Amino acid sequence: GIQVEQSPPDLILQEGANSTLRCNFSDSVNNLQWFHQNPWGQLINLFYIPSGTKQNGRLSATTVATERYSLLYISSSQTTDSGVYFCAVERKETSGSRLTFGEGTQLTVNP
Amino acid sequence: GAGVSQSPSNKVTEKGKDVELRCDPISGHTALYWYRQSLGQGLEFLIYFQGNSAPDKSGLPSDRFSAERTGGSVSTLTIQRTQQEDSAVYLCASSFMPQGSGNTIYFGEGSWLTVV
Repeated sequence: GIQVEQSPPDLILQEGANSTLRCNFSDSVNNLQWFHQNPWGQLINLFYIPSGTKQNGRLSATTVATERYSLLYISSSQTTDSGVYFCAVERKETSGSRLTFGEGTQLTVNP
Repeated sequence: GAGVSQSPSNKVTEKGKDVELRCDPISGHTALYWYRQSLGQGLEFLIYFQGNSAPDKSGLPSDRFSAERTGGSVSTLTIQRTQQEDSAVYLCASSFMPQGSGNTIYFGEGSWLTVV
């Protein structure tokens, strides 16, 4: 199956700092999503971004499908950004049935 | 409902017992997914429903696991003869259409299962 690798596994920031999270994947995809899991376990979809660039407030994401990676940018981080960020992909050969998740990046933002 | 609802939120069961986990998706969502998350791990796909049928159940880890969906709405995940390695958070998600079309997927808060 498709492999999804996220880096770094852990990241500690001071409030106000910027960060870049990376997701590498091993095969062509027709679906890539970024999620945030808060400390209480709730998963929230951040971006649907199989290619190109999107921005939503302090967050933005870029996927370079031909090179099989995606980046999530967090600017001016806040303590509420803490949690685990997951990248999830779906292979082109499948049709809407499953997302394969990476192991996540654990982000801690200190005040 | 307003979001994906799962019950129970927490379940402690003895090894060898059967458990049922329930998922009530967002009204009108045709696609429903079950995932499992072990402590400190990413999410592991279990099964996908489109309407009441399950075109992809390849993620179920053993024949002790089964799931059904009725009325195109509520789904039940059943684990028979539970083992300690079944301890995990079981997450249900739904989307208006299958994922490949880019529809946002919404997750419930999960059912925390502990097998003692």
